[in-house]
Amino acid sequence: DTGVSQDPRHKITKRGQNVTFRCDPISEHNRLYWYRQTLGQGPEFLTYFQNEAQLEKSRLLSDRFSAERPKGSFSTLEIQRTEQGDSAMYLCASIPWGTNEKLFFGSGTQLSVL
Amino acid sequence: AQSVTQLDSHVSVSEGTPVLLRCNYSSSYSPSLFWYVQHPNKGLQLLLKYTSAATLVKGINGFEAEFKKSETSFHLTKPSAHMSDAAEYFCVVSERENFNKFYFGSGTKLNVKP
Repeated sequence: DTGVSQDPRHKITKRGQNVTFRCDPISEHNRLYWYRQTLGQGPEFLTYFQNEAQLEKSRLLSDRFSAERPKGSFSTLEIQRTEQGDSAMYLCASIPWGTNEKLFFGSGTQLSVL
Repeated sequence: AQSVTQLDSHVSVSEGTPVLLRCNYSSSYSPSLFWYVQHPNKGLQLLLKYTSAATLVKGINGFEAEFKKSETSFHLTKPSAHMSDAAEYFCVVSERENFNKFYFGSGTKLNVKP
């Protein structure tokens, strides 16, 4: 079990720029989640993939956000035209199909929009 | 619809005294319930989970939680706090009939005084 890895760990960008984050889940996990966590809050669900299919997207996610999981393995989350309100920790988690046991989280990508 | 309410945003205890972190949930179906812990600059780690077996669940580091359906509660306890327990704790609910959704509470920050 090599764990869920996320890249980069930190990203500082200027308002209006585009950013992309990557998540590599545990290899046999076909379900993948993106969450966003701001200071003092619990993780908020953003989107969910089963294999390469994006099955659910939160209403919190504006059109500036897009996520992909092209081959059912790694996933990317892109934010276009970043705003200061996008500053947060972006967390990725994975879990095997057929269970709602433990979510395996990565360490997250901390985004700061200046 | 599911939701989780963590009744205290901050809890402060002295080392060696009991810990009680409160969580109430609402769920349309049979819930699975979890407690995760997040230490500063660390990823989310599963402390314990309730899925359908014994209502008193034991987790890591001496923590346990009791599922009380009549009270829709899943409070986290520990008999004796240790300095290393200082962290943020999240209660999470998922529906066993719907494997796709995990809902996080807003978190309780535990402070342990020497």
